Amino acid sequence: DAGVIQSPRHEVTEMGQEVTLRCKPISGHNSLFWYRQTMMRGLELLIYFNNNVPIDDSGMPEDRFSAKMPNASFSTLKIQPSEPRDSAVYFCASSLDGQGGPNYGYTFGSGTRLTVV
Amino acid sequence: GENVEQHPSTLSVQEGDSAVIKCTYSDSASNYFPWYKQELGKRPQLIIDIRSNVGEKKDQRIAVTLNKTAKHFSLHITETQPEDSAVYFCAAPRQSGGSYIPTFGRGTSLIVHP
Repeated sequence: DAGVIQSPRHEVTEMGQEVTLRCKPISGHNSLFWYRQTMMRGLELLIYFNNNVPIDDSGMPEDRFSAKMPNASFSTLKIQPSEPRDSAVYFCASSLDGQGGPNYGYTFGSGTRLTVV
Repeated sequence: GENVEQHPSTLSVQEGDSAVIKCTYSDSASNYFPWYKQELGKRPQLIIDIRSNVGEKKDQRIAVTLNKTAKHFSLHITETQPEDSAVYFCAAPRQSGGSYIPTFGRGTSLIVHP
């Protein structure tokens, strides 16, 4: 298995531009998570999907952030318009809930380092 | 919801010494406690986990202990090596909509001096 795949690995964009981050979860996993990591705030959960349905989006900072999961093998996190304070590393993670207990096989992707200038 | 506190935030040790990182959690229903290691510029990776039906688990130089009564769990690294230098995160799950969401501690930056 190739693991959780994120793209791009690095993104540099100008303030005001739209940014789209992509994630492919591990095949067979039914839960997908988007996190933002900064030195100041650590790992913040932005949104969580279970069976492609958004369950908890209380961590999405503001309306500029949106996430979709159109099918079991793909999710996007979009920021429009982007701002310098959105600069961070964004991680996607997936797991299989139910079998083996909570968060079974919980695995992070390699992350996308976003820089907004 | 779940609240996870992790201490210390930084830990500096000499090679060969032991390192201990502690976490407390608030939800008594939590029953799965993983630890992740994140090396500089890389993703967090699971290194060891423990379920609530056991009090201790070991894997070579690392071990995790769990005290359900006190609601705390700890990571122990013995005979530390420079390559153990990283940020370590603990986590505890909280239930949401019938599923589980890991709640992470703020992380401990471990520095092992050669």
